[in-house]
Amino acid sequence: EVQLVQSGAEVKKPGESLKISCKGSGYSFSNYWIGWVRQMPGKGLEWMGIIFPGDSDTRYSPSFQGQVTISVDESINTAYLQWSSLKASDTSIYYCARQVKGFDSWGQGTLVTVSS
Amino acid sequence: DIQMTQSPSSLSASVGDRVTITCQASQDIHNYLNWYQQKPGKAPKLLIYDASNLETGVPSRFSGGGSGTDFTFTISSLQPEDIATYYCQQYINLYTFGQGTRLEIK
Repeated sequence: EVQLVQSGAEVKKPGESLKISCKGSGYSFSNYWIGWVRQMPGKGLEWMGIIFPGDSDTRYSPSFQGQVTISVDESINTAYLQWSSLKASDTSIYYCARQVKGFDSWGQGTLVTVSS
Repeated sequence: DIQMTQSPSSLSASVGDRVTITCQASQDIHNYLNWYQQKPGKAPKLLIYDASNLETGVPSRFSGGGSGTDFTFTISSLQPEDIATYYCQQYINLYTFGQGTRLEIK
């Protein structure tokens, strides 16, 4: 069974750094793109970026380029989304998802709360 | 950037009704379009890929159509468990989601 398991909820202060994770299992992790999607409170889905674990090829939405970094550790089947300096407006749920024909498998979501 | 415009933004219908949502792309995306369902508090779920292909395990009352810039998503007979927000997504040039359509039972 394909599974993506994300790290737990985080509460951070503005200006702090953060790295959240997404661990894949049940399939060949190296061979499928993993995307990240933001959902702000009460709002819709926004695609942030995507990475191919096999060679770390990464693409970003223009809206998120330079705001976040997507990375992967192929040896432990884990993708990451990180911020160097969080803002209150980063408060959201973040989902990872596997790209096949569409995003066919999703993580459970990680709630990130940024508040002073 | 390719923009995706869904309509309506919200919809109220009765059990058994036929429901249709439209999605318009700002440029030709051929059939590079997917549809997702998101229930409250849950991750999205892929329903339709490549505009008209039903994902494995998805009930046949769901269907999709269209190509180019204009697409439709239809539920042939609305069921109570279909209450959710539905999103289209293009993937010909990176990825973009539509703004979503919230579906409620009347």
